[in-house]
Amino acid sequence: GAGVSQTPSNKVTEKGKYVELRCDPISGHTALYWYRQSLGQGPEFLIYFQGTGAADDSGLPNDRFFAVRPEGSVSTLKIQRTERGDSAVYLCASSSGTNRLEQYFGPGTRLTVT
Amino acid sequence: GEDVEQSLFLSVREGDSSVINCTYTDSSSTYLYWYKQEPGAGLQLLTYIFSNMDMKQDQRLTVLLNKKDKHLSLRIADTQTGDSAIYFCADAYSSASKIIFGSGTRLSIRP
Repeated sequence: GAGVSQTPSNKVTEKGKYVELRCDPISGHTALYWYRQSLGQGPEFLIYFQGTGAADDSGLPNDRFFAVRPEGSVSTLKIQRTERGDSAVYLCASSSGTNRLEQYFGPGTRLTVT
Repeated sequence: GEDVEQSLFLSVREGDSSVINCTYTDSSSTYLYWYKQEPGAGLQLLTYIFSNMDMKQDQRLTVLLNKKDKHLSLRIADTQTGDSAIYFCADAYSSASKIIFGSGTRLSIRP
């Protein structure tokens, strides 16, 4: 496909469990971003990768949240000891190295923590 | 801190023009964006404008920027039912590493 894909589309987990959310960026895009969107709000920045390294992780709310991008393509957002307040839609976006201005978003993963 | 504010709702009649307004607080913002989000769909980049521009037009869309007042607007000409969505105003620094979004304006179209 041509767009950003995210899996799973929905994830329901119990409080205290560990979850992984996956993002496949547009092929060839070197920059990758994670955002979180709570109900009725705009997306909130979490972390930005340029290649394999996290260039800006200032939006990660606490140390339960971690993201990796080991080969500079697919990225995984990992949340430990989930809390009900983590329930949100997690959005991934990517942009090309030559035009970071245009971020293209995936459909998101809806995470529900019960 | 950085903040982007927009009104929550706008209702317009089909065929009229819609004007969605936004204010931002950070004078260092270099890029200002409009994104569209339809139910069950991802965010779609509509357009963006550099902070050294006053206006940008793209088909039915016109973006106006008043940098002095830190005010951004999106005008949609000849609004159609397919324009029903939530519209997000957003800004970014020159590095464009992260985008700061407003809470969105829900645009509804009445016949």
